[in-house]
Formats: sequence, structure tokens, C-alpha cells
Amino acid sequence: EIVMTQSPATLSVSPGERATLSCRASQSVSSNLAWFQQKPGQAPRLLIYAASTRATGIPARFSGSGSGTEFTLTISSLQSEDFAVYYCQQYNNWPPWTFGQGTKVEIK
Amino acid sequence: QLQLQESGPGLVKPSETLSLTCTVSGGSISSTSYYWGWIRQPPGKGLEWIGSVYYSGSTYYNPSLKSRVTISVDTSKNQLSLKLSSVTAADTAVYYCARQVRYDSLPWHFDLWGRGTLVTVSS
Repeated sequence: EIVMTQSPATLSVSPGERATLSCRASQSVSSNLAWFQQKPGQAPRLLIYAASTRATGIPARFSGSGSGTEFTLTISSLQSEDFAVYYCQQYNNWPPWTFGQGTKVEIK
Repeated sequence: QLQLQESGPGLVKPSETLSLTCTVSGGSISSTSYYWGWIRQPPGKGLEWIGSVYYSGSTYYNPSLKSRVTISVDTSKNQLSLKLSSVTAADTAVYYCARQVRYDSLPWHFDLWGRGTLVTVSS
């Protein structure tokens, strides 16, 4: 099973600032990685797939990069609606499809 | 616009079987472009994939749950279902159904989720 490790667990950022979230895989997942955003009481929403492709309707301030075992989600200028928990998920080696433990982006 | 809606009992007794249904509306569960999956999230914790199914009935299960899980589809009702047997308090979670993109005949990432339903295991 591939273990996904996200860092940091919590990221405190001021509105308008850049946020950089990391995700590491225990072995290479190529570019088969997705990022999700989850707000309290809501289902996860797909932001990024194939490591760097934005899903339909996702603003350009969200970008993904990386391949192999190291991945990054960048939010270029945080808006109030971006404060949430973010999860990465690999879909290269399965079953099981596995998720990271999440990074909470909170208001500084 | 396609939507997924989970339904089922919110309270299940220990050792019994948890049964949930996901109804797909605004699209066909028989689409050749998608698989359909179940994912759960214990309160305050992260996401755990349970299993996935194709409209033909082909399934994939999480090895950690495989002995207790059955996922099936009813194309006539545009529904998928989840059964998890011998539940304990550790199975208390929000259960989501989700659409999973099919590419090169294989399931890939999840692109659309239902709102989820909380199932509590308690006597």
C-alpha cells in the first residue's frame, strides 16, 4: 500500500498571501495524483488531477506540480473561501487508492 | 448536472450489517466513462477508500475491509449499494459515494462526490 504524507498538518496564512502544501508518496506514483478541498460539513471537491491539471471550474490561483514522490499544491493568493482542509490522493498503485491525512489551511 | 445522494440508517448496532444506497441522478450509472466508489471519513479524521464498482458489476475492494464489504450496482434503479458486515464503533463515519473517472479501461481519480451520510455504530 502506498502511504501518502502531507505537510504541514496546519498552515496559518493571511488572506492574499501564498500557500504551499506538500504531499509525499512512499513510492513513485508518477503523475497520478489528485488534490481535493474539503470545507466543514461538505464533501471533498476535486481541485487538481494528473498532478497539475485543474478540474472544471477551479480558479487559476490553484496550481499543482510534482511527479514521482513529491508534489505541491500552491494557492497563489488566498481568498476567504479557500480556508479549508486539503487532501492529496494517489491513483497509480491500487487497490487501495490512498489519501494523505490532510493539511488544514487556517486564517493567520 | 449529475448528482449523487447517499441514503440509509444513521444508527447501526455493533455486530450488525451497515447498508447504504447511493442514487445517481442527472446521468446514467451505466456510463462506460466511470466507475463508482465508496469512501468514508471518521469524525475529525481523514479519508479511507472502501471500494469501487463498474456498472457491469466488476469490483475492487480495500484489502483492509475486503472480508466485510460488498458493493453492487442496480442499473435499473441507477443506484449503487454498500454493505459492511460485523460493524464496530470503529466503523462510525461519514460515508460518501463518488464518481471515479475511467481511463484506459481502469479506474482513476474521483471527480464528483455525494454529500455524505453519517453512520454511527452504537448499541
